[in-house]
Amino acid sequence: NAGVTQTPKFQVLKTGQSMTLQCAQDMNHEYMSWYRQDPGMGLRLIHYSVGAGITDQGEVPNGYNVSRSTTEDFPLRLLSAAPSQTSVYFCASSRAGYGNTIYFGEGSWLTVV
Amino acid sequence: RKEVEQDPGPFNVPEGATVAFNCTYSNSASQSFFWYRQDCRKEPKLLMSVYSSGNEDGRFTAQLNRASQYISLLIRDSKLSDSATYLCVVSGGATNKLIFGTGTLLAVQP
Repeated sequence: NAGVTQTPKFQVLKTGQSMTLQCAQDMNHEYMSWYRQDPGMGLRLIHYSVGAGITDQGEVPNGYNVSRSTTEDFPLRLLSAAPSQTSVYFCASSRAGYGNTIYFGEGSWLTVV
Repeated sequence: RKEVEQDPGPFNVPEGATVAFNCTYSNSASQSFFWYRQDCRKEPKLLMSVYSSGNEDGRFTAQLNRASQYISLLIRDSKLSDSATYLCVVSGGATNKLIFGTGTLLAVQP
């Protein structure tokens, strides 16, 4: 059971570099999202998508882009990495609607130096 | 004020103890409530949903008080394996956007 798969698990970037965090789910979930988790801040929503071709901003979208060309994939792009983007990133998916369980990927640890 | 607030802990308790976590939320329109568990350097996983009538799953009991906008989690007969961070989570829209508390760290001691 693959569930939600994120890659890479660990990455070190230099300031100004760009990169893409990949996320794929095999549960045919409509809803996908990206969170970042920082000490003392909890998980904060970056971007989300309610279906293929539809994306929207969350709480902390600046510096990140997303696209949803298929139901399965929801990549997160860092356009020009900054040290403030050092964090743990989690991709998540669920069925649309109230109260559905959200499933998380294993996380991507990103350090920007 | 944060939308979801939790006592960060840590809660250090002996095995077998009963421990309770509390959580408050600010959006009265919130519809769904959950407790997630997160182990160190792992992803959050659903522990249990929280229903208005209260619900129990083995040693775990969750309560919701909509009037006070308050959620609780009670763990009875704590085990070493219960050591983790417990996240209070609230959602209020059809897009299932979740708002997470910062989590409460539980350390069960032998």
